[in-house]
Amino acid sequence: DTAVSQTPKYLVTQMGNDKSIKCEQNLGHDTMYWYKQDSKKFLKIMFSYNNKELIINETVPNRFSPKSPDKAHLNLHINSLELGDSAVYFCASSYLLGTSGSYEQYFGPGTRLTVT
Amino acid sequence: AQTVTQSQPEMSVQEAETVTLSCTYDTSESDYYLFWYKQPPSRQMILVIRQEAYKQQNATENRFSVNFQKAAKSFSLKISDSQLGDAAMYFCAYRGWEAGGTSYGKLTFGQGTILTVHP
Repeated sequence: DTAVSQTPKYLVTQMGNDKSIKCEQNLGHDTMYWYKQDSKKFLKIMFSYNNKELIINETVPNRFSPKSPDKAHLNLHINSLELGDSAVYFCASSYLLGTSGSYEQYFGPGTRLTVT
Repeated sequence: AQTVTQSQPEMSVQEAETVTLSCTYDTSESDYYLFWYKQPPSRQMILVIRQEAYKQQNATENRFSVNFQKAAKSFSLKISDSQLGDAAMYFCAYRGWEAGGTSYGKLTFGQGTILTVHP
């Protein structure tokens, strides 16, 4: 079974549309993350949830809204898509330090978003 | 804020040879974790090796080993007996020790190093 899964893997859409990316982990982790990888391959944290509570909210346009219905799921909704939103978005999960001896982050396969 | 720097945008190695990828970081924390991730063309992020800052012993995973110099804030990755399948982009990443504060376990990545393996 896939540990961290994301859907869809590819997303092509037009400017101004609203889209969502879904993420699910079956590792029992209590913390999930969204990272953005830009065209230069640079990876940067966007959001993080711990047990459904938002704990990291980096400087991201408010068109991006994460939602965590439970600790195994973290979705990313993007409103009014812009050309600059084109990137690969990675979901990841881990145990938050102090709650378990395992602290590695496991990544999903990524979603390549192309805005035309 | 923590920063991670990979000064080698590209590296190449002959199959079966050894290559070392460099990484330096800046932090005011005394305890933290460091990682190397591999991203092949499939774009999947694969954990290669990890190092706890409180451990003096360098981590080793089969053909992969690190040279962790805490005072110098340096964390290089050595790949021995390079294989064609090692060709990928390699990222160095930092994670703070604390569960809370400004960290909450987030990874701060370097810019990445593209490794080419020649047959």
